[in-house]
Amino acid sequence: TQLLEQSPQFLSIQEGENLTVYCNSSSVFSSLQWYRQEPGEGPVLLVTVVTGGEVKKLKRLTFQFGDARKDSSLHITAAQPGDTGLYLCAGSNTGKLIFGQGTTLQVKP
Amino acid sequence: DTEVTQTPKHLVMGMTNKKSLKCEQHMGHRAMYWYKQKAKKPPELMFVYSYEKLSINESVPSRFSPECPNSSLLNLHLHALQPEDSALYLCASSHEISSYNEQFFGPGTRLTVL
Repeated sequence: TQLLEQSPQFLSIQEGENLTVYCNSSSVFSSLQWYRQEPGEGPVLLVTVVTGGEVKKLKRLTFQFGDARKDSSLHITAAQPGDTGLYLCAGSNTGKLIFGQGTTLQVKP
Repeated sequence: DTEVTQTPKHLVMGMTNKKSLKCEQHMGHRAMYWYKQKAKKPPELMFVYSYEKLSINESVPSRFSPECPNSSLLNLHLHALQPEDSALYLCASSHEISSYNEQFFGPGTRLTVL
């Protein structure tokens, strides 16, 4: 059974701080996706990484895929209250998404 | 059009009711998915349709019945649900079933079973 361990589960920080969310597995994934979800809404796709060692930047968000394609990280620089939400990583091998348990981020003004 | 739409947004039903959830996408995607999500948990896969045929059923109870009338539409028929079935039901679509195809989610239907 493929598992994705996501950490931390909860994070409460002040506006302007930096943070990193980790997603780790013992399995290799063909691709890994990061989503952000607000309460009562569906997950919104932020990025997909497919190449080992790949780094993608989306404004203040930096996503990295591990060399062995078993782990990934999301780094947010200078967090803002609008970044508040549930962050989900999801790995894919067979077309089915394997989700991490999610990281609930709260950014206080 | 890069949206997946779902109706209704909210649904309250009794345990003896029959209701349906609807999902629509116009991105030309040939794979469509139903997920169930409890509060502060990740989505759990229920069903996958590929080219309008049921491809995956994750051992979902028969009180949930999916239907794919055409390549743009996906329904979930509900009958004799239990209170523990209350959750956010999410529809998603992707180009095809593939390790590299991104899934795009709709806004969900918040279901409450009384």
